[in-house]
Amino acid sequence: TQLLEQSPQFLSIQEGENLTVYCNSSSVFSSLQWYRQEPGEGPVLLVTVVTGGEVKKLKRLTFQFGDARKDSSLHITAAQTGDTGLYLCADTDKLIFGTGTRLQVFP
Amino acid sequence: EAGVAQSPRYKIIEKRQSVAFWCNPISGHATLYWYQQILGQGPKLLIQFQNNGVVDDSQLPKDRFSAERLKGVDSTLKIQPAKLEDSAVYLCASSPAPTIYNSPLHFGNGTRLTVT
Repeated sequence: TQLLEQSPQFLSIQEGENLTVYCNSSSVFSSLQWYRQEPGEGPVLLVTVVTGGEVKKLKRLTFQFGDARKDSSLHITAAQTGDTGLYLCADTDKLIFGTGTRLQVFP
Repeated sequence: EAGVAQSPRYKIIEKRQSVAFWCNPISGHATLYWYQQILGQGPKLLIQFQNNGVVDDSQLPKDRFSAERLKGVDSTLKIQPAKLEDSAVYLCASSPAPTIYNSPLHFGNGTRLTVT
């Protein structure tokens, strides 16, 4: 059974700081999605990455897919309070979600 | 477009009671999913429907959980009898296609179940 481990589990930072969260798989991803979940809501898709080594940017968010397609990272530049939430990676083929990183950005 | 609708929003029951959750997916979405999200964890897939047929229910505890999607539109998830460890948020999601690679999951806001 594929396991998706995310790190760190919790992250508490101030506005303006940069951060990186990680997603590591016990097996190769077919393709990977990142979602953000705000309290009391369902997860919302941020990005899909498919090709090993792929880098995608979404405003201040940069997503990278590892060359071997077993890991991915999400980097946020100059975090804002609106970035607060639970960040989840997911394998698109097996519909498995990671353990999540809970981010709190303070003003 | 209207999003995925779920009800109730919250439910508190005692252990050994039964409970049912309802989901109405986005119009035209053939694929419907139920996920269980325990506090502090990522969502865990319980069951996937394609129209009114079950695609994957391998992680559904079938001794107590059941789900149906009779007309290929809305769906209900039932727990009978409930256990303390069933306390979680139950998320419904839909997508237009059976694979989410190019048709991502659209989630509802979930039903928060507390079993006392």
